[in-house]
Amino acid sequence: EVQLVESGGGLVKPGASLRLSCAVSGITFGSYSMNWVRQAPGKGLEWVSSISASSSNIYYGDSVKGRFTVSRDNAKSLLYLQMHSLRAEDTAVYYCARELLSFDYWGQGTLVTVSS
Amino acid sequence: NFMLTQPHSVSGSPGKTVTISCTRSSGNIASTYVQWHQQRPGSAPTNVIYEDNRRPFGVPDRFSGSLVSSSNSASLTISGLKTEDEADYYCQSYDNVNHLWVFGGGTKLTVL
Repeated sequence: EVQLVESGGGLVKPGASLRLSCAVSGITFGSYSMNWVRQAPGKGLEWVSSISASSSNIYYGDSVKGRFTVSRDNAKSLLYLQMHSLRAEDTAVYYCARELLSFDYWGQGTLVTVSS
Repeated sequence: NFMLTQPHSVSGSPGKTVTISCTRSSGNIASTYVQWHQQRPGSAPTNVIYEDNRRPFGVPDRFSGSLVSSSNSASLTISGLKTEDEADYYCQSYDNVNHLWVFGGGTKLTVL
């Protein structure tokens, strides 16, 4: 069974940093590109970042570029999202998703709340 | 960057058919594949259509996808509506010039 489990969310103050993790099992993690997608409360889906299988290609959405860094550890089947300079508008549920023809597997998400 | 525009909401009765549109603002809709995702309340999204019109294993054939070149849009059609189809639906496509994924704003389907 394929499982993606996000962790690391929580309540932080504006300007703080936070690192999210996504633990993946049931697939050969190192063979696939991975993505982060977020969803602000009551809003739609917003793509955040993607990272290729070997980490050679990394891309970010305009709203997080320069503040967020995606990385992965293929030996541990872990995907990360390091977030700096957090803003109120970064408040959202953050999902990790495997990319194979589409985003075919999604985690259940972890909530990040940025508030003073 | 292009945008994908969806209607805010659609509705239909059980057993009927509904279609959700997804219009690309610039560039050819057929230039990169369109995906569709279903998100039930309180749950993570799940993929229901990939590569414009292909269904993942386990998705019923009541769900179908297509492209409408005349309106530069993609469509998700759900036939034989069931109450369990009530959810938000998002289209998605890839901007291969800027290397980013684009989601539509989402459409809330109500099954009356």
